Amino acid sequence: GQQVMQIPQYQHVQEGEDFTTYCNSSTTLSNIQWYKQRPGGHPVFLIQLVKSGEVKKQKRLTFQFGEAKKNSSLHITATQTTDVGTYFCALNYGGSQGNLIFGKGTKLSVKP
Amino acid sequence: DAGVTQSPTHLIKTRGQQVTLRCSPKSGHDTVSWYQQALGQGPQFIFQYYEEEERQRGNFPDRFSGHQFPNYSSELNVNALLLGDSALYLCASRGRQGGPKGYTFGSGTRLTVV
Repeated sequence: GQQVMQIPQYQHVQEGEDFTTYCNSSTTLSNIQWYKQRPGGHPVFLIQLVKSGEVKKQKRLTFQFGEAKKNSSLHITATQTTDVGTYFCALNYGGSQGNLIFGKGTKLSVKP
Repeated sequence: DAGVTQSPTHLIKTRGQQVTLRCSPKSGHDTVSWYQQALGQGPQFIFQYYEEEERQRGNFPDRFSGHQFPNYSSELNVNALLLGDSALYLCASRGRQGGPKGYTFGSGTRLTVV
């Protein structure tokens, strides 16, 4: 079945540095969603990407969907301590009534 | 506008016992999915309920069963608990048509099997 792989597994940055996590698949993805899970919390939906080459921004967060729709990335500019958490990409599998196949996530820690 | 509510928040059970977890979806949502999240892992899909029926199921044994009620709330039942069932169980809801594409997750039930 389809799966998505995320790298890196962990990322430690100094506050103010940039951060990027990558999500890859061996097959073409119909869409990709990104979630953030704070320590001890639950996943919170950030965004969905659907179109080839799509780029979306949310303040300091930039999300990209590859031209071949086999990879995606989340980039955070000038990290803050509030960015701490695990970032998951997830494939919404099965169309509009589908369910999520999550990657293993990238755990971000930010040193003040 | 209430989000997804799950109960209990924490639970400790003994191997072989049975457990029932509960979920109330976000107001306006009618589809409920359950996920299991082991420590350090991404959530794994268990099953989805819509119109009181199980619509999709992930790779989980029959020990995992569920139910959806007419008010859209849902239960997850796990029989013959194993140590490996220890995890965070997340309920997620969404509307069937339109609206944001993402799921709204509850805070989860932390199940520990001893």
